[in-house]
Formats: sequence, C-alpha cells, structure tokens
Amino acid sequence: GEDVEQSLFLSVREGDSSVINCTYTDSSSTYLYWYKQEPGAGLQLLTYIFSNMDMKQDQRLTVLLNKKDKHLSLRIADTQTGDSAIYFCADLDRGSTLGRLYFGRGTQLTVWP
Amino acid sequence: ETGVTQSPTHLIKTRGQQVTLRCSSQSGHNTVSWYQQALGQGPQFIFQYYREEENGRGNFPPRFSGLQFPNYSSELNVNALELDDSALYLCASSLGLAGDGQYFGPGTRLTVT
Repeated sequence: GEDVEQSLFLSVREGDSSVINCTYTDSSSTYLYWYKQEPGAGLQLLTYIFSNMDMKQDQRLTVLLNKKDKHLSLRIADTQTGDSAIYFCADLDRGSTLGRLYFGRGTQLTVWP
Repeated sequence: ETGVTQSPTHLIKTRGQQVTLRCSSQSGHNTVSWYQQALGQGPQFIFQYYREEENGRGNFPPRFSGLQFPNYSSELNVNALELDDSALYLCASSLGLAGDGQYFGPGTRLTVT
C-alpha cells in the first residue's frame, strides 16, 4: 500500500509562519490534500494540489509540491492561535476505486501567543 | 448547501454487539466513503459506495458492511464488536472522482467496552 509520512509535532509563535511537511511513496499520485482537524471534530478540507502543479496559494496557505522527491509542504503565513490543530496530508489513490485517501498520522500544530 | 451529517455523535457498545452508523452526504454528492480513525492515528479507509454499490474496500474484515440508499445517504454496520473497534468513524462525500476533495462529517465516536 501507499505510505504517507509526517512529523508529529510543530510549535510556532503567533504571527510567525508555520511549515508542515509530508512525504509520500506513490509515484502515480494525482491529487494531494491538506486537512485540518480540531479537537473532537471531523476533518476540514483546507486545500489541494494537482500533481502537475508545483505551487498553489490560497490566502494564508501556500502548498509546495516536489514530485521528484515526493515531498509536499503546507505553509501557513501569520499563524494565529486559532490555527492550533492537527494537520493531515492525504494522497488520492484512484487505482481501483473512485478515490480512496491515504492519510499521514497528522502533525499537531501548537501556536503560542 | 447542506454539509455532511452523521449520527449518532457518540455511542457506547459492549463487545460482541452490533452497531449501525448513519451518514447523509453533502447536497449534490453521489459517493460516500467511510474511514476509521483510531486515537492518535490518521483515518484509515474502510470502503466506498457509489450508486448504491460497494466500490472498493480497505483492509477491514467482512463484519464491517455498508449500504448506500437512492438519496446517497449511507450506513456503516459493524457486527461482533471488538475492543479494537473503538474509534472515530468518519464519513466523507464527494462527487464521483474525488479530485476536488472528499468532504467529511463530524464523525461518530464509538466506544466498545
């Protein structure tokens, strides 16, 4: 199966930028996603990038994709305390279904005031 | 636009019992995927339903089964509950090929004692 890896913890000070990194193994990935999960809640889709793109910007969020190294990152500019949550990287597998997501274990982002 | 809803929010069952979890997909979506999220882990794909047919299954035993109804809502049934089935069960809906993302409900927290 596919493997998606993320570092487990990241702490930043309010107002700084956060960078959350992810690596994946599937060379045929088409779409890659970032989801946010707050305590006791479901997953909120933040953004996604198609594999023929290198970068996507959406307000405070910037996604960078390095296909050669199979590395994905999410940069959050001007990080706020409300950004504290778990962030999941996910890879879409279209092999045999209409699309199953493979998730990393999540990165716990803590923002200090 | 109505988002994905799930019921119940919380459930406590005894080992060996059976449970049914329900999901209503987002308006306009025809595909439902179910995921299991154990504590401290990323979500794991259980199966997916499209046009009332199972369209792919992850590494879960047959005692995990499901249904999709003509209105695209879905049920997840788990028979002969085991302690390891304790987890957050997430339902996600999408429109066919999930390129632009799967949208998750708030989840059902199942505790098996």
